[in-house]
Amino acid sequence: KQEVTQIPAALSVPEGENLVLNCSFTDSAIYNLQWFRQDPGKGLTSLLLIQSSQREQTSGRLNASLDKSSGRSTLYIAASQPGDSATYLCAVSPQTGANNLFFGTGTRLTVIP
Amino acid sequence: DAGVIQSPRHEVTEMGQEVTLRCKPISGHNSLFWYRQTMMRGLELLIYFNNNVPIDDSGMPEDRFSAKMPNASFSTLKIQPSEPRDSAVYFCASSFHSDNEQFFGPGTRLTVL
Repeated sequence: KQEVTQIPAALSVPEGENLVLNCSFTDSAIYNLQWFRQDPGKGLTSLLLIQSSQREQTSGRLNASLDKSSGRSTLYIAASQPGDSATYLCAVSPQTGANNLFFGTGTRLTVIP
Repeated sequence: DAGVIQSPRHEVTEMGQEVTLRCKPISGHNSLFWYRQTMMRGLELLIYFNNNVPIDDSGMPEDRFSAKMPNASFSTLKIQPSEPRDSAVYFCASSFHSDNEQFFGPGTRLTVL
């Protein structure tokens, strides 16, 4: 069974700092990888989707990379802002094309003003 | 588009009662997913549908849980009888099958006393 791990579990940084969140998965046979943001008491917001054939995706201050062979992905956030404070989740979809997602446990980010 | 709609947003019930959670996916999406989120286990897939047909219900914890999708715009998740350990946030998500990016609803916070 696919296992998804996110390190660290929690991270606090001062405003303006660049930061990297890590995601690793045990089975490299994935269809795609998706990064989400979850605010307290809210649902999940999709941030970036990387297909298995891609190396990275960018959206504004966010950049996600994927190294499928090593089972790793990173989410890079540039010039962090207090509004970036949330829990960030990564999820992978199996290569069979079935579109169920396996989620990591998340990294809780706090950006200090 | 209004996004994925879930109701109710909060539900408090007593052990043994029947609980029905509702979901309206994004119009045009043909895949629908039910997830459960708890502190202990994180986000877990319960069941998903493609074109209104249940594809994988292996995540449904027990026979007390059932899900239906009578048409492309509506799905229900029913728990009968409910137990305190069912307390969690239940999310519904939808996607285009080929695109696979999932969009989540705001969730239903269920408390079983």
